[in-house]
Amino acid sequence: NAGVTQTPKFQVLKTGQSMTLQCAQDMNHEYMSWYRQDPGMGLRLIHYSVGAGITDQGEVPNGYNVSRSTTEDFPLRLLSAAPSQTSVYFCASSYGPSGESTGELFFGEGSRLTVL
Amino acid sequence: AQSVTQLDSQVPVFEEAPVELRCNYSSSVSVYLFWYVQYPNQGLQLLLKYLSGSTLVKGINGFEAEFNKSQTSFHLRKPSVHISDTAEYFCAVSDPLYGKLTFGQGTILTVHP
Repeated sequence: NAGVTQTPKFQVLKTGQSMTLQCAQDMNHEYMSWYRQDPGMGLRLIHYSVGAGITDQGEVPNGYNVSRSTTEDFPLRLLSAAPSQTSVYFCASSYGPSGESTGELFFGEGSRLTVL
Repeated sequence: AQSVTQLDSQVPVFEEAPVELRCNYSSSVSVYLFWYVQYPNQGLQLLLKYLSGSTLVKGINGFEAEFNKSQTSFHLRKPSVHISDTAEYFCAVSDPLYGKLTFGQGTILTVHP
């Protein structure tokens, strides 16, 4: 049972570089989301998607893009990396409104990004 | 809008002592409430959840939480902690429709021998 898979687990970037964090889930979940975790700030929602072709902004969307072309995949793109984007990123999924929706999220293991 | 406040950023306790991690929330609508645990260098794992019904919720690893609507609280308790409970704990509130979770700032529980 793979669940939610994130790649890469670690990445170092230079300021201004771009990259994509990959996220895939095999549970047929409609809802997928990206959070960033910073010390003392908990997890903050970056972007989320309630189904293929539908995305929306969360609390801290600036500097990030997402797309949802399939139910399984939800990549997060950093357009021009900045040191302020140094963080641990978590992808998560859950059932959507057409299924059992309790709000329980299933998390990937995280991607640690350092921007120099 | 929803918000969650975890009242303690760090809680040190000795092994076999009881512990309470405090969580208050605010929301204009009915919500679901969760506690997640994060062990070092790992993702988040669901500890327990309150959806409806009994206000006392039991979770994994001997943890329980009580939903108090009048005080808008959802405190997490364990009567006797172990070294292996050392982790960061997050309280969260969700939008029941889309599972959009709002997290508290986290409480680091450190259990000393």
